[in-house]
Amino acid sequence: DGGITQSPKYLFRKEGQNVTLSCEQNLNHDAMYWYRQDPGQGLRLIYYSQIVNDFQKGDIAEGYSVSREKKESFPLTVTSAQKNPTAFYLCASTPDSDYGYTFGSGTRLTVV
Amino acid sequence: GNSVTQMEGPVTLSEEAFLTINCTYTATGYPSLFWYVQYPGEGLQLLLKATKADDKGSNKGFEATYRKETTSFHLEKGSVQVSDSAVYFCALSDHGTSYDKVIFGPGTSLSVIP
Repeated sequence: DGGITQSPKYLFRKEGQNVTLSCEQNLNHDAMYWYRQDPGQGLRLIYYSQIVNDFQKGDIAEGYSVSREKKESFPLTVTSAQKNPTAFYLCASTPDSDYGYTFGSGTRLTVV
Repeated sequence: GNSVTQMEGPVTLSEEAFLTINCTYTATGYPSLFWYVQYPGEGLQLLLKATKADDKGSNKGFEATYRKETTSFHLEKGSVQVSDSAVYFCALSDHGTSYDKVIFGPGTSLSVIP
């Protein structure tokens, strides 16, 4: 079955460490997105990519980086510059916004 | 710009009660409208959608009708169950000037008690 796979489900980061969250889709969708969700809050857009080798900053890109070398993959790196990275991270994809998004199951990142 | 407004939560209902979660939107053009559901610790799942005025989306007993005259897409269910406890997000499509995206409301938390 087609879908989006996010890994790992839980991730722990030490202070000053970079970590990378994986997002892989086999839906053949062109557009992919990364969102951050804090407890009891809505979704905030970090980065998006409409096509391979192209991506743009969203509303809260500081302290994050991405790459889009393959259509299927859109990894997110949380750098040490992100001062408050503890959150739930969601990856999504779509062929067209009228179709709606398909979401992954999320990665919960905790700073220890 | 385009936006979505939802009723404030949390909403607490007894099992078998009737549910309404209000959603209104502001948009240019003719967006598609969506309801997503998020269970604790999980990603969002598409619950239902409607692509044009007067369309009714339905799934798992939930319904919502695309009302262009009132710019609304209220979510309803006739008899809620404990398993419906989740956060519900109203959303619309936005082809925009810079990129294609879905705009989400802030979410409404629903708790159903036995």
